[in-house]
Amino acid sequence: AQKVTQAQTEISVVEKEDVTLDCVYETRDTTYYLFWYKQPPSGELVFLIRRNSFDEQNEISGRYSWNFQKSTSSFNFTITASQVVDSAVYFCAPTKAAGNKLTFGGGTRVLVKP
Amino acid sequence: DAGITQSPRHKVTETGTPVTLRCHQTENHRYMYWYRQDPGHGLRLIHYSYGVKDTDKGEVSDGYSVSRSKTEDFLLTLESATSSQTSVYFCAISSGFGASTDTQYFGPGTRLTVL
Repeated sequence: AQKVTQAQTEISVVEKEDVTLDCVYETRDTTYYLFWYKQPPSGELVFLIRRNSFDEQNEISGRYSWNFQKSTSSFNFTITASQVVDSAVYFCAPTKAAGNKLTFGGGTRVLVKP
Repeated sequence: DAGITQSPRHKVTETGTPVTLRCHQTENHRYMYWYRQDPGHGLRLIHYSYGVKDTDKGEVSDGYSVSRSKTEDFLLTLESATSSQTSVYFCAISSGFGASTDTQYFGPGTRLTVL
């Protein structure tokens, strides 16, 4: 069975600090895709990034970066120089290829204080 | 932003009544999904569709049915609503062109309260 765990339920930081969110995906699949979504207080779900399990390079996009450790199936998502507008719940959601059905983690609430 | 609308956005109903939620897309995407979001559970897949009249169950499909007669519309029906179905319901779409590039985009959500 597949299992996705976001162990951090809530993180509180002061503006301009970096925030790193953890996600562990336990699966026997060798190929999978992992997505990060943001849910601000207004409630909508906003797509942030996707990562393929066979990508070995870590990437940066603006203030977002992500790190994948295949040996532990751990995907870390980092927000650099956090801003108040980054306050939201962040979900990681992995999927196998077929049908793109997402399995969501429980989410991590990030509170960025001014 | 992906062209996805959900209607109604808010609904209050009574136990035992039928309820239908609508998801409408303007992207001509092949796949459509219904999720529910409850505190402590994140989002869970109810049903999904991989084409007109082609649907399949998700992990929490009991008490729900779906229909897709047109590419742009995906309906979720609660035949006899129960209080345990009080939740926020999200529709999502994806192109279906291939998992290596495909991404799900979500609608604004429908808040359903069953009294």
